[in-house]
Amino acid sequence: AQSVTQLDSQVPVFEEAPVELRCNYSSSVSVYLFWYVQYPNQGLQLLLKYLSGSTLVKGINGFEAEFNKSQTSFHLRKPSVHISDTAEYFCAVKGGGSNYKLTFGKGTLLTVNP
Amino acid sequence: DAGVIQSPRHEVTEMGQEVTLRCKPISGHDYLFWYRQTMMRGLELLIYFNNNVPIDDSGMPEDRFSAKMPNASFSTLKIQPSEPRDSAVYFCASSLGAGTYGYTFGSGTRLTVV
Repeated sequence: AQSVTQLDSQVPVFEEAPVELRCNYSSSVSVYLFWYVQYPNQGLQLLLKYLSGSTLVKGINGFEAEFNKSQTSFHLRKPSVHISDTAEYFCAVKGGGSNYKLTFGKGTLLTVNP
Repeated sequence: DAGVIQSPRHEVTEMGQEVTLRCKPISGHDYLFWYRQTMMRGLELLIYFNNNVPIDDSGMPEDRFSAKMPNASFSTLKIQPSEPRDSAVYFCASSLGAGTYGYTFGSGTRLTVV
């Protein structure tokens, strides 16, 4: 079975500050990892994904994430946030092979203050 | 492409009534997923289909819930009879293949059972 732990339920930051949203996963097989963003009253939108290859993955809106297999982590970072980045962020894991389920973490609410 | 389309956006119903949620996946996508989102439990996978065939319904909470996919462009999630604890946001998502490209989510249906 696979699981995802997002270590912070809420992260408040000031505009133009850097931010890191933490995600740890557990899986008995190789995994694919994703970050999604959910703006208020909207569905989830894919930010970035790690499938294989380079452990540093760049996504939309200036976000990036680093896959660390030894620490089973996939933390999301942005060097300078904007007010418009205020949203809920979900980390998700998908096992390889015939397992087509995406398992989501509980989410981290990022609030960017002026 | 209009993306994944869900209807209605909001539904308020009385306990005991039948509720039907609808989803139109992205044309050409062969996987369809139904998720439920609540504050307490986060995002839960209810059921998913491949080429219109239900593959895994282990997440369906009980027999009051049923889902169908009569063709590649339409799916329904039905709750009969509805209960207040079914109040949640229900998301439909679709993907091409095994989901390594990530899922595309609809905007969700916010269900309130009073």
